[in-house]
Amino acid sequence: DMKVTQMPRYLIKRMGENVLLECGQDMSHETMYWYRQDPGLGLQLIYISYDVDSNSEGDIPKGYRVSRKKREHFSLILDSAKTNQTSVYFCASRGTGGNSDYTFGSGTRLLVI
Amino acid sequence: GEKVEQHESTLSVREGDSAVINCTYTDTASSYFPWYKQEAGKGLHFVIDIRSNVDRKQSQRLIVLLDKKAKRFSLHITATQPEDSAIYFCAASRGTNTGKLTFGDGTVLTVKP
Repeated sequence: DMKVTQMPRYLIKRMGENVLLECGQDMSHETMYWYRQDPGLGLQLIYISYDVDSNSEGDIPKGYRVSRKKREHFSLILDSAKTNQTSVYFCASRGTGGNSDYTFGSGTRLLVI
Repeated sequence: GEKVEQHESTLSVREGDSAVINCTYTDTASSYFPWYKQEAGKGLHFVIDIRSNVDRKQSQRLIVLLDKKAKRFSLHITATQPEDSAIYFCAASRGTNTGKLTFGDGTVLTVKP
């Protein structure tokens, strides 16, 4: 079964701590994404990765960085987390090809206190 | 950049009735319009999409309409069931090759028995 897996599911961090969110996919998809979702808002795009070491800023990249060293793994890093980064973070992947759609992970709920 | 507006923030219907969720977009180059369902505490689940080469697509009880002139697309859920209750998100993209999805803010659909 095609899957995007996010770890951890829940995370509590103190302000100023570093945060690592991990995402894996088993479909060999080239393109992967990190979004955040806040109440009453749709998903906002943080970063896109088109393949290994080929990353591009999304709409709200400030305060985040990413790492993609293997096609199947895409990490989101918060250096010195802030309280306004409390959110639900979703990873997604998309394969090339005409009828591909996007596969989303189940999300990581991050609370920064 | 693209902006997607989802017109109904909440929608309540009786079981068996139809539900309609409307979205508009701004980028005339958008050509791919997926819809996602999100149940409480879960990730986004793809439900149906439409591409700009057609103006109607149906999958069982789901119908998507696209009006390119008006830059409007809509999701129709017929014969609603309580398990259709969820948050529904519309999204738009310039096409699967570019990969960036812009989301609406979501519609909370409640189907009352």
